[in-house]
Amino acid sequence: LAKTTQPISMDSYEGQEVNITCSHNNIATNDYITWYQQFPSQGPRFIIQGYKTKVTNEVASLFIPADRKSSTLSLPRVSLSDTAVYYCLVGAGSYQLTFGKGTKLSVIP
Amino acid sequence: DAGVTQSPTHLIKTRGQHVTLRCSPISGHKSVSWYQQVLGQGPQFIFQYYEKEERGRGNFPDRFSARQFPNYSSELNVNALLLGDSALYLCASSYGQGLEQYFGPGTRLTVT
Repeated sequence: LAKTTQPISMDSYEGQEVNITCSHNNIATNDYITWYQQFPSQGPRFIIQGYKTKVTNEVASLFIPADRKSSTLSLPRVSLSDTAVYYCLVGAGSYQLTFGKGTKLSVIP
Repeated sequence: DAGVTQSPTHLIKTRGQHVTLRCSPISGHKSVSWYQQVLGQGPQFIFQYYEKEERGRGNFPDRFSARQFPNYSSELNVNALLLGDSALYLCASSYGQGLEQYFGPGTRLTVT
């Protein structure tokens, strides 16, 4: 299973764009990259998923370079309600999902 | 539409006892996964069931077992509880075995 590495924590001011980078050097050909968000005492929430290049939805964008050894989750104009832990996961199916410690994002007023 | 539901919300058990946690997936979802989340850590994968068959198992002892019923709901059973089993137990459902899963609110288990 591909292992992921992401920063333990990040701080950002409200209104700024936040980019969280995840490293996954051993990603396999069949693996997809998925990001989840988790608030305290709640289950994780699916944010976005991609295989290569760029994916955008109403919440975030996901940038994946050609070698797929890393990915960047971009959150535009964050607000206080975006304070949460963000997890990067790599796998071909949900039976392979491994959550690391994630990145704790703190948004400052 | 109702999301993933789990019961009970909170549970306190004594070491050595047995516990059963329940999960109802989103209507139409055929896959249910169970995770254990200890404070300060990410969720750890325990089991996945798809179409009532076990499709994945994490690195947990045999004290942990699960099953999925014909209506796709699921139970997680833990025998001979240890203090270290105290955690938030999360259930997630998905239509297939894809990576987009929908998590329930969890069951907070405390073992004393």
